[in-house]
Amino acid sequence: LAKTTQPISMDSYEGQEVNITCSHNNIATNDYITWYQQFPSQGPRFIIQGYKTKVTNEVASLFIPADRKSSTLSLPRVSLSDTAVYYCLVAMNRDDKIIFGKGTRLHILP
Amino acid sequence: EAEVAQSPRYKITEKSQAVAFWCDPISGHATLYWYRQILGQGPELLVQFQDESVVDDSQLPKDRFSAERLKGVDSTLKIQPAELGDSAMYLCASSLIPGGIYEQYFGPGTRLTVT
Repeated sequence: LAKTTQPISMDSYEGQEVNITCSHNNIATNDYITWYQQFPSQGPRFIIQGYKTKVTNEVASLFIPADRKSSTLSLPRVSLSDTAVYYCLVAMNRDDKIIFGKGTRLHILP
Repeated sequence: EAEVAQSPRYKITEKSQAVAFWCDPISGHATLYWYRQILGQGPELLVQFQDESVVDDSQLPKDRFSAERLKGVDSTLKIQPAELGDSAMYLCASSLIPGGIYEQYFGPGTRLTVT
């Protein structure tokens, strides 16, 4: 399982775009990059997943450069309710489990 | 929208007592996971079931923890005896298909405090 590195915490303001970068230098060919979001006192929630280039859904965008050694989760026009911990995970479809790191604690200010 | 159910939401117990947590996964989800999350850290996998069989319990402290999923549906995680270091959030998750890339749906968790 590839190890991921992401900032421990970030602050931003309402209405701004937030980009959280994750480093995964030893990502393997069959690995996918997945992001989960966790609010206080709740379980994590799947946000987005990608393999290469760009993926966009109603919540976020995920940018993955050609070398796939890093990825960036982009949250457009954040609000106070986006305050949460965001986890970057790397996993293969043959792996039965995922490993959560400490995540990035995002704090949105008014 | 279907959800993973867990109970109780909060549990306070004394050291050396037994405690049990219950999880009901989303209907049809054959894969069930139990995680432990210590404050300030990410969830750590304790045990994974595929139907009623244990697939991975390598991180489960088997001297005091046990887990079962007798009919391949709901599951129980037990701690006996509880220790102060067991204070944490215990999360249950389920997925339709086993595999790290497939979305896991998490329940609200059980917050355990051992005094």
